[in-house]
Amino acid sequence: DVKVTQSSRYLVKRTGEKVFLECVQDMDHENMFWYRQDPGLGLRLIYFSYDVKMKEKGDIPEGYSVSREKKERFSLILESASTNQTSMYLCASSPGGALAKNIQYFGAGTRLSVL
Amino acid sequence: DAKTTQPPSMDCAEGRAANLPCNHSTISGNEYVYWYRQIHSQGPQYIIHGLKNNETNEMASLIITEDRKSSTLILPHATLRDTAVYYCIVRTGKLIFGQGTTLQVKP
Repeated sequence: DVKVTQSSRYLVKRTGEKVFLECVQDMDHENMFWYRQDPGLGLRLIYFSYDVKMKEKGDIPEGYSVSREKKERFSLILESASTNQTSMYLCASSPGGALAKNIQYFGAGTRLSVL
Repeated sequence: DAKTTQPPSMDCAEGRAANLPCNHSTISGNEYVYWYRQIHSQGPQYIIHGLKNNETNEMASLIITEDRKSSTLILPHATLRDTAVYYCIVRTGKLIFGQGTTLQVKP
């Protein structure tokens, strides 16, 4: 079974703190994704990466950055956390090739609260 | 990506088949139909996908109409653990989750 592991299920941070959310997948997938999920807004894509050191902006990249130094690990960074970044964050991975044909596998999510 | 329409909620008795409909009347020829579900406080879980033909796996069956304008996800013997939000997604690239159908399986 594909396993996508997010480092924390729950996280509480203060406004202005630098926050790192880590995600690791064990299936040698080329593609990795970060989403946030908010009530009434569904899942929104923040960033994705299709290879090591490669990244593409998603629909809502403002206030976030990402790092992919190794194939299995994709990090989401909040440089200076703000209260409007309180959300559920979901990491996903999928094999390479045409996105439409690829199943994305999700982690359990990290619920981040910024106070 | 084509837009999908799903009923906001449905109930199903435990042990019965759950049939979840999805309308995607603007689907184009190269768009796949995907189904995911999300159990409360967990990440989305892939269920099944298809292009033109009906598909079946260990979790569910996917029936796509001949004109591809609608589809039905069938859980053949629903259990309480199938209570979740079910998302029907039509995609050529990114996954775009709508509001989904909240399925409540009742004893």
